[in-house]
Amino acid sequence: AQTVTQSQPEMSVQEAETVTLSCTYDTSESDYYLFWYKQPPSRQMILVIRQEAYKQQNATENRFSVNFQKAAKSFSLKISDSQLGDAAMYFCAQGYSSASKIIFGSGTRLSIRP
Amino acid sequence: DAGVIQSPRHEVTEMGQEVTLRCKPISGHDYLFWYRQTMMRGLELLIYFNNNVPIDDSGMPEDRFSAKMPNASFSTLKIQPSEPRDSAVYFCASSISGGGETQYFGPGTRLLVL
Repeated sequence: AQTVTQSQPEMSVQEAETVTLSCTYDTSESDYYLFWYKQPPSRQMILVIRQEAYKQQNATENRFSVNFQKAAKSFSLKISDSQLGDAAMYFCAQGYSSASKIIFGSGTRLSIRP
Repeated sequence: DAGVIQSPRHEVTEMGQEVTLRCKPISGHDYLFWYRQTMMRGLELLIYFNNNVPIDDSGMPEDRFSAKMPNASFSTLKIQPSEPRDSAVYFCASSISGGGETQYFGPGTRLLVL
């Protein structure tokens, strides 16, 4: 069964510093996609970044970047220059070309210290 | 585009009452997903539709839950009769296609069953 694991229930970072959120996954499929979603206190689920497994280049989106290690089945999210507005739950997720479901991890709650 | 629209945003009802949650997906999106989020179980996929047809309802907890999509721009999730354990945040999401495409979430409906 496909699983997505986020081993850090909570993280905290000083404003303007860099933080990395961990995610590992388990799959036997070769064609898949990985996502990071952000859920701020408003509860709205917002896409942060998306990575296609066939692409070797790590996806980036402004201050957000990923470290995709396909062999290790690892997909971490790096947030640079952390801002107070980055405080949220972050969910790692995996989808497949062969299916329409997305499997979500349990989430990491990120707090930002001013 | 206005994004995925859900109504109501908050619902408080008494045990045994019927509850209907509504969703309008993003125009042009062929897939619609219903999720439930609780502290204990995280984010669970309940059911999803492709071109208005239910494809996988294996996540629907029991017969008290039903979902319909009468047309491409409207879906409902109904709970009858409601129970306190149904209290959760219910999300609707849509994607332009399946196979790992990004899902765009609505703001959610917070349901409290007393």
